[in-house]
Amino acid sequence: TQLLEQSPQFLSIQEGENLTVYCNSSSVFSSLQWYRQEPGEGPVLLVTVVTGGEVKKLKRLTFQFGDARKDSSLHITAAQPGDTGLYLCAGVVNNNDMRFGAGTRLTVKP
Amino acid sequence: DTGVSQNPRHKITKRGQNVTFRCDPISEHNRLYWYRQTLGQGPEFLTYFQNEAQLEKSRLLSDRFSAERPKGSFSTLEIQRTEQGDSAMYLCASSLAILHFDTEQFFGPGTRLTVL
Repeated sequence: TQLLEQSPQFLSIQEGENLTVYCNSSSVFSSLQWYRQEPGEGPVLLVTVVTGGEVKKLKRLTFQFGDARKDSSLHITAAQPGDTGLYLCAGVVNNNDMRFGAGTRLTVKP
Repeated sequence: DTGVSQNPRHKITKRGQNVTFRCDPISEHNRLYWYRQTLGQGPEFLTYFQNEAQLEKSRLLSDRFSAERPKGSFSTLEIQRTEQGDSAMYLCASSLAILHFDTEQFFGPGTRLTVL
């Protein structure tokens, strides 16, 4: 079983729609990171959240870290085809060990 | 410095052959990580170095796998007697650890290994 469960596994939406993807765990993390990965490339860091309840915004992307630091969500407003990719969350335990979820594969159709 | 680089980007080999991959991290980063990613999964941790010292190895890293970072800069990952199950994307990442606390990891583009 994965330490981090991401849902949904796949998501296909039309351009302009809003969406939320989730990252859940029973473990507490010292920090949590969100990455986007495109086919044939390595993951690219989007954001790091550290404090329980923290909300960070990156243009149309809003990231939230749960109060208990066990879960996180990523909300995208007015999705665009350029948002297409694999969204990965990764939790850091003990300041050294980073574990990834299996990802949400997002497709935004024009 | 343009980020983490990995070579080769693609490697096709026959079962039983040995392969070696190279990772060049961001120059000032003292930590270097190796991950493996199979289709439909997130990256799985294999091992990491702080400078030249290999500090942790995953149980996924069988005896056929060995990693080195001899001068604390670039690293190599060797797989001996490859098996079809070794087919995956091998990702390298680097970070700057201050005291014992890690910062953000930056990933390279990966090496895609196909074992026939």
